[in-house]
Amino acid sequence: SQQGEEDPQALSIQEGENATMNCSYKTSINNLQWYRQNSGRGLVHLILIRSNEREKHSGRLRVTLDTSKKSSSLLITASRAADTASYFCATDERNAGNMLTFGGGTRLMVKP
Amino acid sequence: GVTQSPTHLIKTRGQQVTLRCSSQSGHNTVSWYQQALGQGPQFIFQYYREEENGRGNFPPRFSGLQFPNDSSELNVNALELDDSALYLCASSTGQGLSGANVLTFGAGSRLTVL
Repeated sequence: SQQGEEDPQALSIQEGENATMNCSYKTSINNLQWYRQNSGRGLVHLILIRSNEREKHSGRLRVTLDTSKKSSSLLITASRAADTASYFCATDERNAGNMLTFGGGTRLMVKP
Repeated sequence: GVTQSPTHLIKTRGQQVTLRCSSQSGHNTVSWYQQALGQGPQFIFQYYREEENGRGNFPPRFSGLQFPNDSSELNVNALELDDSALYLCASSTGQGLSGANVLTFGAGSRLTVL
């Protein structure tokens, strides 16, 4: 089963625009991570936000976490065609060992 | 990084398959995920120090091994059509430490079952 549900499932924007993806989850977490996947290949870790953090930045990425609403968002600013990929949130649930539970992903297309 | 082999393979129903993974240097934990087309990865199991350290909702015909050099195998017996998927291996370090389970993924093995 998948812990996270991502919204939207697909997003198409023009280069230079910002892209926002949302993730909701169901249980208490230690941390939440975002990963990127190009064309059905391996996933690449982007950013981790701990349960006691509310916002984190990494380059053009901004992640927020609202544990009261059990939701997170990933903002990619000034998007580029090379950002075209699928983006997944993954939760490290408390009392669930060290596994990560992934959402269904948002497929982002950035048009040049 | 993490390397997986083979990259693609085709099997028929009822056959058995072994997928291999070599973890990133210094990583002592390996996890396997199944990703069906258009979906997110689903956790199969995790190995730490050659022992299974957690398992997802997969039947016993999915089994694994981790070797002393931190390479690992995923074995699937009695293949079914629904086993067709991308199988992803991921390694990590810092077993048991909060925030230590950042995964480094391989490129995956795409299995097609006919």
